[in-house]
Amino acid sequence: NAGVTQTPKFRVLKTGQSMTLLCAQDMNHEYMYWYRQDPGMGLRLIHYSVGEGTTAKGEVPDGYNVSRLKKQNFLLGLESAAPSQTSVYFCASRIPLQAGSTDTQYFGPGTRLTVL
Amino acid sequence: DQQVKQNSPSLSVQEGRISILNCDYTNSMFDYFLWYKKYPAEGPTFLISISSIKDKNEDGRFTVFLNKSAKHLSLHIVPSQPGDSAVYFCAARLSNFGNEKLTFGTGTRLTIIP
Repeated sequence: NAGVTQTPKFRVLKTGQSMTLLCAQDMNHEYMYWYRQDPGMGLRLIHYSVGEGTTAKGEVPDGYNVSRLKKQNFLLGLESAAPSQTSVYFCASRIPLQAGSTDTQYFGPGTRLTVL
Repeated sequence: DQQVKQNSPSLSVQEGRISILNCDYTNSMFDYFLWYKKYPAEGPTFLISISSIKDKNEDGRFTVFLNKSAKHLSLHIVPSQPGDSAVYFCAARLSNFGNEKLTFGTGTRLTIIP
C-alpha cells in the first residue's frame, strides 16, 4: 500500500515550457487535491476533484489545468510555465465526508518545481 | 483574505516543556478543525482534529483546544520532544457547501531545543 505518490520529485523548467505532474493513490479515495506551498503562504488549493471525471477550481487555479480520467490518478498540467509557478506541489486524497470520519487528507511527498 | 491565520511563523521550546501553537479563524461557518505536521521534504501528515461541538480533544501528548467565541484554537504538546520539530499547519472545514475542501493556515515552524 503505497498511499499517495507523486511524479516527478523534482523538475526544472524554462519559462513557457509545459509539463504534467502525476498524482496516484491506491486507497480508493474519491476526493483528490492539488496544493502549492510557498514560503509564508501555507498550503493553497489549486484544483480538486470529488470523483472520476470531475474537477473544480480551488483558491489559485490560474495557469493550471487538471484531469481525473481514472479514480486513482489526478494530473496537474502547466501549459506555459512562469517563474511565479516555482513552488512545492502537494497532492492529497481522502474519502468523502462520513459520519464519524476524521476528514483526514493523505498527502503525497511533494514535487519541487523551479521555473527559470 | 486569510481566513485561517497562524500569526507565529516560528516557535522555539526547550525539550520537556510545553509547546503551544495558536491558530485564529474568521469564518464562523467552519465546523471542523485539523492540525497537520510537516517534516522537510515530506508531505503533511494528519496529527489531531476537533469538531466544533467540542472544546477539547486529546491524543497522547497532543491536545487541541477550541474557543468558538474567540474563533481560536491551539495545539498543546506536552512534553515536547526533539522529534516534534516540524512545521505545523492548522486547517478548517466549512460546515456545508464547500465542506469537501480545507483552508490551511500559513504554518508555524516549531523547534525543540535539546
